[in-house]
Amino acid sequence: DIQMTQSPSTLSASVGDTVTITCRASQNINSWLAWYQQKPGKAPKLLIHQASSLDNGVPSRFSGSGSGTQFTLIITSLQPDDFATYYCQQYTSYWTFGQGTKVEI
Amino acid sequence: QVQLVQSGAEVKKPGASVKVSCKASGYTFTAYYIHWVRQAPGQGLEWMGWINPNIGGTNYPPKFQGRITMTRDTSISTAYMELSNLGSDDTAVYYCARGNAVWGQGTLVTVSS
Repeated sequence: DIQMTQSPSTLSASVGDTVTITCRASQNINSWLAWYQQKPGKAPKLLIHQASSLDNGVPSRFSGSGSGTQFTLIITSLQPDDFATYYCQQYTSYWTFGQGTKVEI
Repeated sequence: QVQLVQSGAEVKKPGASVKVSCKASGYTFTAYYIHWVRQAPGQGLEWMGWINPNIGGTNYPPKFQGRITMTRDTSISTAYMELSNLGSDDTAVYYCARGNAVWGQGTLVTVSS
């Protein structure tokens, strides 16, 4: 099974900050990596797919990089609406999610 | 627009089964796999499997095999997920998803005696 290890689990930040979240896969997943944002009581929202492709309508302050086993989500100029929980996900022939990173004030 | 609409909240007793529906609209139902994901209160996301609506083929992780059944009715563009022998740790919000980008609103299943 492919395990996804995400860090940190919690991140304290302020509006305007740049934050970095990392995700490591237990084996090579090429670029089959997505990032989601989730707010309380809501379904996850896709931000990035194929490791670095922004989904439609996602602000350009979100960016993703990496391939193989190491991936990064960067949010520049953090906005109030960005305080949420973020998950990485591998989607090879099945799905596995990271444990999540809560971005809080 | 493309959307998935799920059935309403359920309350079940331990040992019972639950069947959640996911109605698709705005696209060709048989063209995309439907995945199911659950989230226990305050916890992360857990993948439960997928169904290919075109042929009905399924793929379940070992944790749920023997206890989960995914089906579909192409005539009404609806996918179903049935989980049997429920325990308290099955209390969660259950989501269906079309690929990564389109998710249902979630269905809360509460297991309580």
